[in-house]
Amino acid sequence: AQSVTQPDIHITVSEGASLELRCNYSYGATPYLFWYVQSPGQGLQLLLKYFSGDTLVQGIKGFEAEFKRSQSSFNLRKPSVHWSDAAEYFCAVGTGANNLFFGTGTRLTVIP
Amino acid sequence: NAGVTQTPKFQVLKTGQSMTLQCAQDMNHEYMSWYRQDPGMGLRLIHYSVGAGITDQGEVPNGYNVSRSTTEDFPLRLLSAAPSQTSVYFCATAPAGGRETQYFGPGTRLLVL
Repeated sequence: AQSVTQPDIHITVSEGASLELRCNYSYGATPYLFWYVQSPGQGLQLLLKYFSGDTLVQGIKGFEAEFKRSQSSFNLRKPSVHWSDAAEYFCAVGTGANNLFFGTGTRLTVIP
Repeated sequence: NAGVTQTPKFQVLKTGQSMTLQCAQDMNHEYMSWYRQDPGMGLRLIHYSVGAGITDQGEVPNGYNVSRSTTEDFPLRLLSAAPSQTSVYFCATAPAGGRETQYFGPGTRLLVL
């Protein structure tokens, strides 16, 4: 069965600092992996996705993620966080049928 | 081009009442789905559809019913609301194929008393 673990419930960083959000997955086949962001009271917006090929993928808003098969991880990174990045971030694994299995999310607080 | 719309934005129900959450899309996507979001649990798939006339169960289908008579609409019915169904409900759509980006609606916040 597929599952996603986001071990950090809440992370606080200072504006301008670097960020890494952790995501570990469990899936029997080659995974499709996604990172979504949710601002308060809003729906989810796709940041980036990985299907195959280059293990470092670039997304919107300056985010990137690296797929590491040996560690079953797909961590999200940003070199310099902006106050507008404060939101909740969800990692998800996709099956071939479009269905997504989400992690429990990591809430990011940015300190000025 | 409205994308994915959900109505209502907020609803309060009493235990045992029924209601329908509406989801509509104008992107001609074959795939539509419903998720519920609960604190500390992320989003969980309730039901999904890969095309008009085709629906299937997701991870947490009990207490919910769906139908897909058109490509554009995918309503979610609560047959007899329970407090455990208090949640935020999101509709999502995508073109066919597992690699496609899913587009989420703004959500419906439901409170069952």
